[in-house]
Amino acid sequence: GQQLNQSPQSMFIQEGEDVSMNCTSSSIFNTWLWYKQDPGEGPVLLIALYKAGELTSNGRLTAQFGITRKDSFLNISASIPSDVGIYFCAGQGGKLIFGQGTELSVKP
Amino acid sequence: EADIYQTPRYLVIGTGKKITLECSQTMGHDKMYWYQQDPGMELHLIHYSYGVNSTEKGDLSSESTVSRIRTEHFPLTLESARPSHTSQYLCASSELGEYGYTFGSGTRLTVV
Repeated sequence: GQQLNQSPQSMFIQEGEDVSMNCTSSSIFNTWLWYKQDPGEGPVLLIALYKAGELTSNGRLTAQFGITRKDSFLNISASIPSDVGIYFCAGQGGKLIFGQGTELSVKP
Repeated sequence: EADIYQTPRYLVIGTGKKITLECSQTMGHDKMYWYQQDPGMELHLIHYSYGVNSTEKGDLSSESTVSRIRTEHFPLTLESARPSHTSQYLCASSELGEYGYTFGSGTRLTVV
């Protein structure tokens, strides 16, 4: 079946640093989504990408839909402690498929 | 502000018990989903529904069952709970043609 490979698996960074994570797949997706999950909560949608090559920002977050439609990345600029959590990419061709998640820790 | 509600948030139950996890949404969404997630791990789709009286199994095999008698309600039932069912269960919904799923806060189930 379809699979997403998300990396890195975890990141430990200093407050103020920029963060980058990405997802790749052997399958083509029509939509890429990025979610954040806080401990004990459900995922919350951060950014949705609908067209190949699309670059979208949401505050300090920027995400891109790869030209090949098989990958996407998420950047977080000037990280702050509340950025801590697990970030999931998700690709949609039919049903939504989730990546394995990137756990982000931010040291003040 | 949550428009999709899951109850209970936490449940500890003995082996062999029957349980129902509740999920309700007030957005009028046609599509609803159940995901199973172990702590810090990826989400696995176990059931979905595209409307009333429509239910399908997801990618991950599950011994649970679901029903969709009303648009807003999508309960999940385990007839006989086992320790292997210990996990977090997340409910989500979306509009037809829309891709941004809205998730509930989840039910953390522990079977002892």
